[in-house]
Amino acid sequence: GENVEQHPSTLSVQEGDSAVIKCTYSDSASNYFPWYKQELGKRPQLIIDIRSNVGEKKDQRIAVTLNKTAKHFSLHITETQPEDSAVYFCAAITLGGSQGNLIFGKGTKLSVKP
Amino acid sequence: DGGITQSPKYLFRKEGQNVTLSCEQNLNHDAMYWYRQDPGQGLRLIYYSQIVNDFQKGDIAEGYSVSREKKESFPLTVTSAQKNPTAFYLCASSNTRNTEAFFGQGTRLTVV
Repeated sequence: GENVEQHPSTLSVQEGDSAVIKCTYSDSASNYFPWYKQELGKRPQLIIDIRSNVGEKKDQRIAVTLNKTAKHFSLHITETQPEDSAVYFCAAITLGGSQGNLIFGKGTKLSVKP
Repeated sequence: DGGITQSPKYLFRKEGQNVTLSCEQNLNHDAMYWYRQDPGQGLRLIYYSQIVNDFQKGDIAEGYSVSREKKESFPLTVTSAQKNPTAFYLCASSNTRNTEAFFGQGTRLTVV
């Protein structure tokens, strides 16, 4: 089955700096890669996603890149703000036909210091 | 708030008792998932279901059971066979076309 590794487990940055979180996956059939943000005491919520036919996707200060050959994808947050502090999870799934299970990485706790 | 509801929010159980966590969605989603969240362990998949009357084991299914008799409902039973059941449990659902998974607010189970 799919295995998703996520690094680092904790990340501390100064406000205004960039943050990068990296994930690798094992199943080459995986074709959809979402990122979720979980604020303290709240449920995870989707912030950005990417499909395997796209190499990069941006949404304001956040972007995701995908390298299918190397089977890794990354989340980039620029101009970080204190409200970006949260736990971020990457995930991978195979869509199409019989939908597979949605497997998450172990999460990255991002702290943005003002 | 996302159309997926978990209940109760907090649950206390005595050792040796079975307990059932409720998960209901009104989003007409086909797929539903149960995750367990422990500090530093991320979201670990317990069970998932893609259609009614069918479900598959995830990575940590031992000591848990589920049913999917209706599209809207995917209850999780934590049995006495689960050795360390104290955790935060999250239910999620997704549409196979839309792909985004929506999470419930979670149930925090404590064994006393």
